[in-house]
Amino acid sequence: QSVLTQPPSVSAAPGQKVTISCSGSSSNIGNNYVSWYQQLPGAAPKRLIYANSERPSGIPDRFSGSMSGTSATLDITGVQTGDEADYYCGAWDSSLSSGVFGGGTKLTVL
Amino acid sequence: QVQLVQSGSELKEPGASVKISCKASGYSVRGHSINWVRQAPGHGLEWMGYINTITGSPTYAQGFTGRFVFSLDIAVSTAYLQITSLQADDTAVYFCARDAASINYDFWGQGTLVTVSS
Repeated sequence: QSVLTQPPSVSAAPGQKVTISCSGSSSNIGNNYVSWYQQLPGAAPKRLIYANSERPSGIPDRFSGSMSGTSATLDITGVQTGDEADYYCGAWDSSLSSGVFGGGTKLTVL
Repeated sequence: QVQLVQSGSELKEPGASVKISCKASGYSVRGHSINWVRQAPGHGLEWMGYINTITGSPTYAQGFTGRFVFSLDIAVSTAYLQITSLQADDTAVYFCARDAASINYDFWGQGTLVTVSS
């Protein structure tokens, strides 16, 4: 059971928008920054978003992050077949004094 | 350019030990902690802890105390993860990652598969 809760799977047709949620608590998302990672099959995770909504250089602006209260959201607009991957949210948990990840969300592009 | 390069796959028998390396290049290793993340087959990411690259002090997540040891050799810019008394459920890919700030991992190693089997 992960400390951060993500839907196990989402799907979308090419070109559509998909939203992946990450629900936590005041000890993690509510008071610490959230990062999002994309993991393509057989590869290491790759950072997509940090500090809730900041996008590193080289990450397309189709990927965006937001946060409200104790939940964070990753939006992917104009979904492409190459976006098929697992997506993870991560944050520091001040109560546990530990990093925590969501269980991951598998994106299927129909 | 910044790179983290990990050692290759390992096949170990139950009860054995393994030591995985994570060599950093392209930056001063003292600038960022090195974190370790486990991913069991078909499962998600699990935070194991980190080593403070300034003090060399390790911090372990619950569930990764006792048999897991993080260490650092500054002279060769390399972090290590040692696992002793290996068990079948230690079978996983182990990633090292550079922490830009608080679970903000900007660079990752390629992962090291450890298989524990007799």
